[in-house]
Amino acid sequence: ELKVEQNPLFLSMQEGKNYTIYCNYSTTSDRLYWYRQDPGKSLESLFVLLSNGAVKQEGRLMASLDTKARLSTLHITAAVHDLSATYFCAVDPPGYQLIWGAGTKLIIKP
Amino acid sequence: EAQVTQNPRYLITVTGKKLTVTCSQNMNHEYMSWYRQDPGLGLRQIYYSMNVEVTDKGDVPEGYKVSRKEKRNFPLILESPSPNQTSLYFCASSTGVSYGYTFGSGTRLTVV
Repeated sequence: ELKVEQNPLFLSMQEGKNYTIYCNYSTTSDRLYWYRQDPGKSLESLFVLLSNGAVKQEGRLMASLDTKARLSTLHITAAVHDLSATYFCAVDPPGYQLIWGAGTKLIIKP
Repeated sequence: EAQVTQNPRYLITVTGKKLTVTCSQNMNHEYMSWYRQDPGLGLRQIYYSMNVEVTDKGDVPEGYKVSRKEKRNFPLILESPSPNQTSLYFCASSTGVSYGYTFGSGTRLTVV
């Protein structure tokens, strides 16, 4: 079965702390995407990871991809309240459509 | 501005009354897709289109129709809406996997 599992599904943390969201997937894929969604809003593209070992950073967020382990991480450094949102990962295996994780709801408390 | 435009943003309708949700993109993308998002079920693909006149079913196509007569437009048609189609709908487009997918602002549909 093709599936993408995010861990944790819910995360409440304090500002200034670091944390990592994990995205495991069950099939071969060299392409993985991270999106952010604010409540009731659309999905905003954060990162496009296209190869094994890819690492991308934007502000306090850094994403990496290990295709051998079928694992991507989204690391948050010194969290701030504005990063509160739901984060989704999705993989794009050959011959299939995007497969989405269930999302990680992140709440950052001042 | 490069964008995917969906209309309407909000729609309340009655069971059985045909409706169309429009989706238009101005980026000359070949690929377009429709998703529905429901609490606890995540994003599920309804239909997708690889190019003009080429459409295919996603994971949950029952009760929906689409067409792709022009590259920029990909309307979602509900011929006879039912309450279980109450959901948040998103249209997305892409020019290629290297660039990711651009999403519309969403359509919140309520069928009573």
